[in-house]
Amino acid sequence: KQEVTQIPAALSVPEGENLVLNCSFTDSAIYNLQWFRQDPGKGLTSLLLIQSSQREQTSGRLNASLDKSSGRSTLYIAASQPGDSATYLCAHGSSNTGKLIFGQGTTLQVKP
Amino acid sequence: GAVVSQHPSRVICKSGTSVKIECRSLDFQATTMFWYRQFPKQSLMLMATSNEGSKATYEQGVEKDKFLINHASLTLSTLTVTSAHPEDSSFYICSAGRVDYGYTFGSGTRLTVV
Repeated sequence: KQEVTQIPAALSVPEGENLVLNCSFTDSAIYNLQWFRQDPGKGLTSLLLIQSSQREQTSGRLNASLDKSSGRSTLYIAASQPGDSATYLCAHGSSNTGKLIFGQGTTLQVKP
Repeated sequence: GAVVSQHPSRVICKSGTSVKIECRSLDFQATTMFWYRQFPKQSLMLMATSNEGSKATYEQGVEKDKFLINHASLTLSTLTVTSAHPEDSSFYICSAGRVDYGYTFGSGTRLTVV
């Protein structure tokens, strides 16, 4: 069974800190990995998409890395802000089915 | 970027009635769309894959007669919750895209059955 695990489940940090969210997966044949943000009661917003052939992607204060061989991805958030408070979900695209396999998410709270 | 519109955002219905949720891809043609259900403080659970012009593919444990999916055009998929009961109350989200380009999600529909 393909699984995606996100650690930690919840994180609370003071404003301005740099932080790392972790995502691990068991499927060695992932197509790509996508990081999403979800605000309470809202849909998902795509943050970064890393293809299996890539090592990292950057967008503003966000940087996502992918180590396919070890089954890990990290989302780095620089200089965190209260507006970054949300649940962050990672998901990988399955090469076999085309479906997204989701982790359980990390709920981030950035305190002013 | 790709835009997916989902309506309604909230709906309250009486037990025993049916509710239809629409998912539209606004700027691209989506031969495949996905429907998810999300329980409070949990991740997304894939319910079914909606295929344009053919029958939807349901995940194990999802009642296809309860959750009717229609994907009649390349830009619209609908999910109808039939004979809704309070246990069907949940947050439903659709997505569209391709595995190689990534997926875009709708804003979700909060269904409350009273």
